[in-house]
Amino acid sequence: AQSVTQPDIHITVSEGASLELRCNYSYGATPYLFWYVQSPGQGLQLLLKYFSGDTLVQGIKGFEAEFKRSQSSFNLRKPSVHWSDAAEYFCAVGPMEYGNKLVFGAGTILRVKS
Amino acid sequence: ETGVTQTPRHLVMGMTNKKSLKCEQHLGHNAMYWYKQSAKKPLELMFVYNFKEQTENNSVPSRFSPECPNSSHLFLHLHTLQPEDSALYLCASSLGQGGETQYFGPGTRLLVL
Repeated sequence: AQSVTQPDIHITVSEGASLELRCNYSYGATPYLFWYVQSPGQGLQLLLKYFSGDTLVQGIKGFEAEFKRSQSSFNLRKPSVHWSDAAEYFCAVGPMEYGNKLVFGAGTILRVKS
Repeated sequence: ETGVTQTPRHLVMGMTNKKSLKCEQHLGHNAMYWYKQSAKKPLELMFVYNFKEQTENNSVPSRFSPECPNSSHLFLHLHTLQPEDSALYLCASSLGQGGETQYFGPGTRLLVL
């Protein structure tokens, strides 16, 4: 069965520092991979997605993620974090052949200190 | 109105009440989803509808009853809920079910007393 692991429950970084959020997945074929962000009291907003092609994906708000098949990873990165990036980040895998069902990781809460 | 909207945003109900959550999407999508987000647990898919037909019921208790009258509207009817059903209920939609991106609403925060 497919699964997603986000090893870090909380991460704290200083404003202006770089960020990397980890995501590992388990899936038997080529997955569709997503990163979503959720601010307090809000729904989920799509940051970026990987379906195929270039393994380095650019998203909104200056985020990028790299698909590494050999490591079953899809880590999210940002070179310089802003205070407004404080939120909860979710990685998800979406196998097409299962009717577009998304399996989510447990989330990583990002705190930004000034 | 843009995107996916959900009403009400907050709901408090007793265990004997009956209430309904509403979701509306203004994106021209054909697939709609209900998710449950509980504290300290990953998002759980509850139901999926595609062109108004239910395509997925993820072993959800019968006290949750979905309804999809058309591709733009999705309801979740609630009755005789338990306190452990307190959670954020998120609605999402996608153009189809071929791996398209799901767009989420802001959610309904439900508290069952």
